[in-house]
Amino acid sequence: EAQVTQNPRYLITVTGKKLTVTCSQNMNHEYMSWYRQDPGLGLRQIYYSMNVEVTDKGDVPEGYKVSRKEKRNFPLILESPSPNQTSLYFCASSFFGDTQYFGPGTRLTVL
Amino acid sequence: AQSVTQLDSQVPVFEEAPVELRCNYSSSVSVYLFWYVQYPNQGLQLLLKYLSGSTLVKGINGFEAEFNKSQTSFHLRKPSVHISDTAEYFCAVFILTGGGNKLTFGTGTQLKVEL
Repeated sequence: EAQVTQNPRYLITVTGKKLTVTCSQNMNHEYMSWYRQDPGLGLRQIYYSMNVEVTDKGDVPEGYKVSRKEKRNFPLILESPSPNQTSLYFCASSFFGDTQYFGPGTRLTVL
Repeated sequence: AQSVTQLDSQVPVFEEAPVELRCNYSSSVSVYLFWYVQYPNQGLQLLLKYLSGSTLVKGINGFEAEFNKSQTSFHLRKPSVHISDTAEYFCAVFILTGGGNKLTFGTGTQLKVEL
């Protein structure tokens, strides 16, 4: 089944404790993205990647890191999470410029 | 910077009535346009898209949208809504430039269908 998986689905952590949210797709898509969704603000792109080892900043990259060592995986790293990073996070993948396939979301709470 | 504007944050409508959700974008270059739907406690899924060709695009669940290049708009319409259409709808624009290829979403429109 074609899908984008994210783990974990829910995470409660404390300020400053490094965490990684994994994202994996099985559709051979070259384009992958991370978004955060906040009430009233819609989806805002954090980082995107157009292929292996090619990443670029989206609209809200501060406080986040990504890497793309393999085509299928695109982890999101929060080196030192803060409460303002409490949000719902979505990973997505697509062929260039085409339909985004979204993961189920990761609800992150930073205390 | 590119931007996508969904003017209506909430649209209440009675069942079987028509609805239009508005989307405008700012770009003078070529774009791809999308509408996504998010049902409560779920991820986003594609409703329809415009990449090229006919400016009237038909999507799933009876929705359609029209690309208007001169007005930089991509409004979503449905002639008769159903209770099950209650969801949040997002317009998205992918701008084709050599310097970066970000997909920008609007802030969303909550469609609430009432009996």
